[in-house]
Amino acid sequence: DVVMTQTPVSMSVSLGGQVSISCRSSQSLVHNNGNTYLSWYIQKPSQSPQLLIYKVSNRFSGISDRFSGSGSGTDFTLKISRVEPDDLGVYYCGQGTQYPYTFGAGTKLELK
Amino acid sequence: EVKLQQSGDELVRPGASVKISCKASGYTFTSYSMHWVKQRPGQGLEWIGAIIPIIDTTEYNQKFKGKATLTADKSSNTANMELSRLTSEDSAVYYCARGTLGGSFAYWGQGTLVTVSS
Repeated sequence: DVVMTQTPVSMSVSLGGQVSISCRSSQSLVHNNGNTYLSWYIQKPSQSPQLLIYKVSNRFSGISDRFSGSGSGTDFTLKISRVEPDDLGVYYCGQGTQYPYTFGAGTKLELK
Repeated sequence: EVKLQQSGDELVRPGASVKISCKASGYTFTSYSMHWVKQRPGQGLEWIGAIIPIIDTTEYNQKFKGKATLTADKSSNTANMELSRLTSEDSAVYYCARGTLGGSFAYWGQGTLVTVSS
C-alpha cells in the first residue's frame, strides 16, 4: 500500500497568515496514464471531508485561490494564504493513483 | 445539485451485521463509482472500497475483505455497504463518497455512525 506521510501533525497560525502542509508518498503517484492523482481535503469539526484540490494543483469548484497545491512524484505541498477562520480544521492528503486509495494522517490547523 | 444521503446512525450488538445505505441524487448514478471511507473517533480516513454501478464491479481494500460487502441498486440510485461480524473495532463513522476521474472525492455523504456495543 502507498503510505502517505503528512507534516506537521498540527500547526498554529494567525489570521491573515500563510501556512504550508507537506505530504509525501512512499511511492510515486504518477499513474500509467501520466496523471498524478493527489488530492487535498479539509474536514471541519463534525463535518464530512471537503475536496479542495485534485490532481496536485487543480482547485475544486468554488474553492478560493488562497488554496494552492504543488508538487510531483512523491512530494507535495498545500499552501494556504491569508488564513481565515473558516480555514481551521484538519487537512488530509489522499492518493487515487493506486488501490487501495490511502490518506495521510491529517494536519490540524489551529489559531495561534 | 449532487447529494448523497446516508441512512441513520446504528447501534448494533457485537457479532451482528449492519447495512448502511447511500442514496444518490443530482447526477447519473451509473456514471460514477461510489466509494466508502471509515473514520474512527478522533482518527484519520481509511478507504474501504468502491463499486462501479454500471458494471457492478467492486474493488476492496484487502483489510476490509470479508468485513465489508458493497452493492448498488441502480433502480433506486442507492449504494449499500454491509458490515459483518461486528466488533468494537468497527465502531466508526462511515462515509460514502462519489468517485471522480482522478481518484478524488468531490461529494460526500453526511456520514453514518455505527456503534458496536452490547
